[in-house]
Amino acid sequence: QVQLVESGGGVVQPGRSLRLSCVASGFTFSDYGIHWVRQAPGKGLEWVAGISFDGSDKNYADSVKGRFTISRDSSKNTLYLQMNSLRTEDTAIYYCAKRGGYSFSYPPFDYWGQGTLVTVSS
Amino acid sequence: QTVVTQEPSFSVSPGGTVTLTCALRSGSVSTSYHPSWYQQTPGQAPRTLIYNTDTRCSGVPDRFSGSILGNKAALTITGAQADDESSYFCLLYMGSGSWMFGGGTKLTVL
Repeated sequence: QVQLVESGGGVVQPGRSLRLSCVASGFTFSDYGIHWVRQAPGKGLEWVAGISFDGSDKNYADSVKGRFTISRDSSKNTLYLQMNSLRTEDTAIYYCAKRGGYSFSYPPFDYWGQGTLVTVSS
Repeated sequence: QTVVTQEPSFSVSPGGTVTLTCALRSGSVSTSYHPSWYQQTPGQAPRTLIYNTDTRCSGVPDRFSGSILGNKAALTITGAQADDESSYFCLLYMGSGSWMFGGGTKLTVL
């Protein structure tokens, strides 16, 4: 069965960096796009970034553009989110979510991980 | 700045029907935005219910349906059950590979 397991969260000071990982299993990782979605404590969902199946297309929310970088390593079935210049407002649970397929005939997210908590605080 | 709006809260009686909506602060939601809907209970990851306006994900009960109503995307729950009490989020495709969630609706079943 499809599994997505995030890791790398923790407490970090403002201005510092952190790298999140999402290890995928149960499907052919290199066939699917994948996203990061976050949720601040007690708040709603926010799409953060997405990457195409082959890594050639990357897109970011305006709130993280220029600070966060999404990448993937198909040899390790792993998605990454490099987060630089962190701000207190980046505090959130970060979920990875798999795309259902290449076109809109498939769900944008069909499987979700359980998330990893990032706390940005001095 | 584009903002996707949802009712902050809604209440429905068990067995009743409720329609949650998803709007743009400026403009109309159409099928071109490929609206999708997500259910989330506290402490859990979201669950995908509906995508591409009206397609149910595998395993989602048919009491959940999606549509476009006027200038908004809509999620209708027909015959609400106690375990439908959750937060519901819509997601719109904004173009150029970017997506935007609505603020979410907290649904109470009582």
